[in-house]
This record gives sequence, structure tokens and C-alpha cells, in this order.
Amino acid sequence: DTGVSQDPRHKITKRGQNVTFRCDPISEHNRLYWYRQTLGQGPEFLTYFQNEAQLEKSRLLSDRFSAERPKGSFSTLEIQRTEQGDSAMYLCASSTPTSGRQDEQYFGPGTRLTVT
Amino acid sequence: RKEVEQDPGPFNVPEGATVAFNCTYSNSASQSFFWYRQDCRKEPKLLMSVYSSGNEDGRFTAQLNRASQYISLLIRDSKLSDSATYLCVGQMDSSYKLIFGSGTRLLVRP
Repeated sequence: DTGVSQDPRHKITKRGQNVTFRCDPISEHNRLYWYRQTLGQGPEFLTYFQNEAQLEKSRLLSDRFSAERPKGSFSTLEIQRTEQGDSAMYLCASSTPTSGRQDEQYFGPGTRLTVT
Repeated sequence: RKEVEQDPGPFNVPEGATVAFNCTYSNSASQSFFWYRQDCRKEPKLLMSVYSSGNEDGRFTAQLNRASQYISLLIRDSKLSDSATYLCVGQMDSSYKLIFGSGTRLLVRP
């Protein structure tokens, strides 16, 4: 399977614990995105990397959230001191510039986080 | 006001019907548009990009009206497998982030 992969698929944690999610983009895609989705809403943008550079962060990304893409391949999203409001589906997407086409982003299966 | 607005539905249609979804966007700087399909508890899947000239992919037709800031998706000859939530999405050239509507739910019944 050459699509976007995410690990773990599900995570249950207690409030106050730290969690880390991993995303492996489609091979050779240089852009990588993180989104968060809660029930009944569309995904909301969190942050974006081009290669290893983090180029944009949403106001949703509080100080407890940090994302990295150290070698321009896979990325990690860490949430420190989790809160119940962090419970959501965390989605990763990737894309690559294609001449004459819009920036089409392809999503991974997501990591569903439940904070108890 | 949300940047991308959609009727949440649900649209309940019989197999074989034609159904149309509409979407409006508030930021005139939005340049690129997409329709994604999302099944329950799954990730969004790209259905089609939307181009200014309008585009068609099989039973699906997308239209963009920049003057009215309006996007549409037409599904002809609905199949049971078309039952899903359809997400209208915008993107500005100054940022690659996608801005999603809340989705329109479609139920196709036998």
C-alpha cells in the first residue's frame, strides 16, 4: 500500500498524559499536513510542512502541541498534558506540486484519540 | 460566519436519482476548490478538484461560480454506494491549508 499511513490508529489515554502520533506520507510527497476532526465537523487545519520546514501553524495548535518532520519524510505530532477537549480524529495528509493541477491532498486513515 | 458553508442534509434519495449539493465560500481570495467524500469513521477521500470551467468525472459534475462564490456537485444515477458525507473544500493560493465545510450527508435508498 503506497498511501498515507498513520500510527497508532486508536489511542486511549488519561488526562494529563503525553501522546505522540506518527504519519508516513506518500513516497516523494514533499508537503505534509496535520488536521483535526471532531464529530459532525469537517477537518480543521493544524500545521503544514514542506520537506522538513514547518511553514504554517494554526491558532488551534496550542503550546501543548508540537509537530516535527526531521528528515522531510515521516512526521510526528505530540500532545503534552492531554485534556478531554483534545479527543478527536487526527488526520495526516500529503501532496506534491504538479504542474497545471491544484494541490490535491491525500489523507491517511487517522489516529482516533480518546482522553479519559 | 464559516468560511465554507454547506447544507448538512441529510439528502435521502432513491437509487437512480440525480442529486445536487451546493456550497458557498466567504473568502474571495480562495482560489482552489475540491469535493471530498467521507464514509462514517473513515478518512476524507478526494472525489474531484473543481475547475473554473466546470469538470465532469463519470456520474459526477462539479461547477464553480466565482462571481457568486458558489460551488456545486451533481451526482447522476445515484448508487447505494454513494451514501456518504460530501465535504466542500477551499484553498487559498497564499496558503496550502484546506478549509472544509461541515459536510452534506447523502443517503441513497434502494
